[in-house]
Amino acid sequence: DAKTTQPTSMDCAEGRAANLPCNHSTISGNEYVYWYRQIHSQGPQYIIHGLKNNETNEMASLIITEDRKSSTLILPHATLRDTAVYYCIVRVASGADKLIFGTGTRLQVFP
Amino acid sequence: DTGVSQDPRHKITKRGQNVTFRCDPISEHNRLYWYRQTLGQGPEFLTYFQNEAQLEKSRLLSDRFSAERPKGSFSTLEIQRTEQGDSAMYLCASHNSVTGSTDTQYFGPGTRLTVL
Repeated sequence: DAKTTQPTSMDCAEGRAANLPCNHSTISGNEYVYWYRQIHSQGPQYIIHGLKNNETNEMASLIITEDRKSSTLILPHATLRDTAVYYCIVRVASGADKLIFGTGTRLQVFP
Repeated sequence: DTGVSQDPRHKITKRGQNVTFRCDPISEHNRLYWYRQTLGQGPEFLTYFQNEAQLEKSRLLSDRFSAERPKGSFSTLEIQRTEQGDSAMYLCASHNSVTGSTDTQYFGPGTRLTVL
């Protein structure tokens, strides 16, 4: 079973920030938080990951709470092309582990 | 384009037929994963290889399913005697476990199987 819980769906206006929450209250000390997204009929795409510090890359920012029990993925200026299902996954940093996906959050960006 | 390719992209078959899918990972990646995704669900792990060795298989991988990676490069996934419940998207991902412990898996575009 997935170790994370996410809202089923969210809406966001184009150009505004999209904030996608994720709860992972049973996360272990050696587990990272990863975010992937899946645009319709494509394979999942890696977005970002972090352990305990906030992270930022060209796609998004990841904010992890101090107790690490939850996190938020931020798309600073959502576009229509960001419409997708977003998956939050926790995994050990070995890199070998299979990814355990939940049902994710379906983000709809509207004009 | 992640560099992982899958063939075919779509496959329609009749119940009881055998089908085979191919995955070509990123060339330097030593690990290759297969996942299955049904409508409205996230991908589910099926199996993975490190080089040519198949190291883990999910209980979802029934005896009608077989996967190979004979030379540690491309992989094939065969389903024998297909059933309607096999209809799904079959995803392949690759990963380089040598470069870094937190390196991500890169997914291909998937093969959509429809069993009539």
